[in-house]
Amino acid sequence: EIVMTQSPATLSMSPGERVTLSCRASQRISSYLAWYQQKPGQAPRLLIYGASTRATGIPARFSGSGSGTEFTLTISSLQSEDFAVYYCQQHSNWPWTFGQGTKVDIK
Amino acid sequence: EVQLVEFGGGLVQPGGSLRLSCAASGFTFDSHWMNWVRQAPGKGLECVASIKYDGTEKSYVDSVRGRFTISRDNAKNSVHLQMNSLRVEDAAVYYCTRDGVAPGIYHDYWGQGTLVTVSS
Repeated sequence: EIVMTQSPATLSMSPGERVTLSCRASQRISSYLAWYQQKPGQAPRLLIYGASTRATGIPARFSGSGSGTEFTLTISSLQSEDFAVYYCQQHSNWPWTFGQGTKVDIK
Repeated sequence: EVQLVEFGGGLVQPGGSLRLSCAASGFTFDSHWMNWVRQAPGKGLECVASIKYDGTEKSYVDSVRGRFTISRDNAKNSVHLQMNSLRVEDAAVYYCTRDGVAPGIYHDYWGQGTLVTVSS
């Protein structure tokens, strides 16, 4: 099973700041990586697939990069609605596995 | 509009059984792989089962293989998860998710989830 490790566990940020979240895979997964956003009491929402392609309706301030084992999700200018937990997930090898999440909260 | 509505969750004793269902609408159901993803209270996400658009391929995470069965009824636009021999650690919100038709798109839509509680 591929283990996904996200860092940091929590980020305390202010609106308008640039945010960078990291995700590492325990083995190479090419670009088979997705990012999801989850707000309290809600289901997750797909943000990025294929490591760098924004899903339908996702604002351009969200971008993804990386391949192999190292991946990044960047929010160029944090908006109030972006405070949430973010998960990465690999879909290179079954079972698809998620990272433990990074919580972005208000500083 | 794509909609996924789960139902069937509830309280069950350890060793018991439960059948979850997901009603899908707003898209061509028999063109999409479907999945069940769970989230224990305050924890992360785990994809527990996946089924091909025609039902001919099914995959399970090791922790549920042999106890859970995923199935679908394309005539009724529904997917199900039969859960047997339930354990305390199976307690979670269970989400029904859809994979996109285009390659590489997974879990592009999620239901609101149904809560399964396993306790004596």
